[in-house]
Amino acid sequence: EVQVVESGGGLVQPGGSLRLSCAASGFTFSGYAMSWVRQAPGKGLEWVSGISGSGGISGSGGSTYYADSVKGRFTISRDNSKNTLYLQMNSMRADDTAVYYCAKYARAVAGNWYFDLWGRGTLVTVSS
Amino acid sequence: EIVMTQSPATLSVSPGERATLSCRASQSVSSDLAWYQQKPGQAPRLLIYGASTRATGIPARFSGSGSGTEFTLTISSLQSDDFAVYYCQQFNNWPPNTFGQGTKLEIK
Repeated sequence: EVQVVESGGGLVQPGGSLRLSCAASGFTFSGYAMSWVRQAPGKGLEWVSGISGSGGISGSGGSTYYADSVKGRFTISRDNSKNTLYLQMNSMRADDTAVYYCAKYARAVAGNWYFDLWGRGTLVTVSS
Repeated sequence: EIVMTQSPATLSVSPGERATLSCRASQSVSSDLAWYQQKPGQAPRLLIYGASTRATGIPARFSGSGSGTEFTLTISSLQSDDFAVYYCQQFNNWPPNTFGQGTKLEIK
């Protein structure tokens, strides 16, 4: 079955750190760019970060991209040998509280990008 | 950063009627636009990519149109399962892959 499953969420104090994981299965993980998207309680979707795959966004693997709101605090990475995507979150703030989704990039024959696979998300709460 | 603006914020429509949702980009995104449906407690589900191509398994009552800065998602005959929040997302100029703020489609 093609799926991604997030884990690692929980309660963390302001200024603290947390690492999220996203385990992928059913597809050639290394070949695809991946992303993290978050959703604060009762709010809309916010793209957080992306990382290229071996045949992905930039044509080479490992290029990383961040939203301004997390740049310098969050680090996206991947371990293709474990089919796993990570998000290391440091210096966390109350406004980082959200459900964090892992999403897989896909590209149509015509060249259009989109997210074709989402996980169920993991809840991160930043509070003292 | 490209700003995506969806309208209306909430749309009330009766089952069986047509719903038209709009998404506007602050600058041209060509046809690099996707639409997603999200129900409470669930992950988003891809409906449309490339502005007008239905994703696998999406019913024909869902259609997308537009290019450049103006896009529309149309649901031709609403069914009870269609009442949800809908988001557009651009992939033309990124990072970031910005989302619209969402349109909540509710039962009238």
